[in-house]
Amino acid sequence: DAKTTQPNSMESNEEEPVHLPCNHSTISGTDYIHWYRQLPSQGPEYVIHGLTSNVNNRMASLAIAEDRKSSTLILHRATLRDAAVYYCIHRHRIIQGAQKLVFGQGTRLTINP
Amino acid sequence: DADVTQTPRNRITKTGKRIMLECSQTKGHDRMYWYRQDPGLGLRLIYYSFDVKDINKGEISDGYSVSRQAQAKFSLSLESAIPNQTALYFCATSDVDQPQHFGDGTRLSIL
Repeated sequence: DAKTTQPNSMESNEEEPVHLPCNHSTISGTDYIHWYRQLPSQGPEYVIHGLTSNVNNRMASLAIAEDRKSSTLILHRATLRDAAVYYCIHRHRIIQGAQKLVFGQGTRLTINP
Repeated sequence: DADVTQTPRNRITKTGKRIMLECSQTKGHDRMYWYRQDPGLGLRLIYYSFDVKDINKGEISDGYSVSRQAQAKFSLSLESAIPNQTALYFCATSDVDQPQHFGDGTRLSIL
């Protein structure tokens, strides 16, 4: 399975933007890039996904490189509640309508007050 | 109420025992998944199901079995538990080509 590479940990300050990088140099043309996050003692939570174009939603923005070998999750104004492990994931389509998410180790994001 | 409910939330048991972890969902999704998470690592897929009649192995299915009793229920069994199956187990659901929704996990310890 294709792998993603993320920094093990990052730190930022409250109310500042956070840019979480991810390398996925072996991604295939049809694999979506998904981001999930896992807060302490909870299951993973979907954040955002994209294929080729940059994407925005209420939680974050996703910037995808033109060659699709890397992407960046952007939290525009971090809060203490954003402290979590962030996973950058390939979504492989197993068969029509079903996904296989391949998780790496993720980036542990710490937010300082 | 949670959309994806896992029971029990915590379980401690002994080597050789049969264990069943249960997952139920109120989201009406056809796709259900079981994952395992070891400390400091990401999740790994154990089994997945597209509907009641369809069960498929994931990347680490050895030592596990599943049952899809209904659209809303997907159970994971350890027929004879061993210590290296100590982990955090997550159930997830999804609609067609949509993001997955996870439960809060079952922490399983096998002594």
